[in-house]
Amino acid sequence: EVQLLESGGGFVQPGGSLRLSCTASGFTFSSSSMSWVRQAPGKGLEWVSVITGSGGSTYYADSVKGRFTISRDISMNTLYLQMNSLRAEDTAVYYCAKLLEHWGQGTLVTVSS
Amino acid sequence: DIQMTQSPSSLSASVGDRVTISCRASQGISNYLAWFQQKPGKAPKSLIYAASSLQSGVPSKFSGSGSGTDFTLTISSLQPEDFATYYCQQYNSYPFTFGPGTKVDIK
Repeated sequence: EVQLLESGGGFVQPGGSLRLSCTASGFTFSSSSMSWVRQAPGKGLEWVSVITGSGGSTYYADSVKGRFTISRDISMNTLYLQMNSLRAEDTAVYYCAKLLEHWGQGTLVTVSS
Repeated sequence: DIQMTQSPSSLSASVGDRVTISCRASQGISNYLAWFQQKPGKAPKSLIYAASSLQSGVPSKFSGSGSGTDFTLTISSLQPEDFATYYCQQYNSYPFTFGPGTKVDIK
């Protein structure tokens, strides 16, 4: 059974940093493309970033480019999202997803002073 | 960036109704389109990929069609558990983008 478990969300002030983690199991993590998707309160889904399974290439939404970094530790079956220079508009539930297939339960990030 | 639009933004339907949701891409995306279902307070669930292929375990009442710029999600006979918000997403080119969603509620 595929499981994705996010952690690391919380409350942070504008300009601060946070690192989200997503621990994966039930599939071959090393060869799977993994993404982060967020959802601001009462809003729709917004794609944030992806890391490809094959070569580990990374891509970002314009709204987070230069501030967020996606990475993975294959030995730990864990996906990360390092978020720097956080803004109020980054407040959202952040979902980890095995591309197009399985989703985690989400972790809430609140950016506020 | 490729923009995705959905219509309608919301609809009211009855149990047993056939429901169709449209999704349009601002440029051709071949069949690189997925559909997701989300219920309030829950994570999205993957329904369809490659425009018309059902994810494992998804009931056959869901179907998808289309190619290029115009796509459709159809629910053949709406059941109480299908009342939710539905999103399309293109994965033809980065950045991947979602449509704004279509909320399906009870008439």
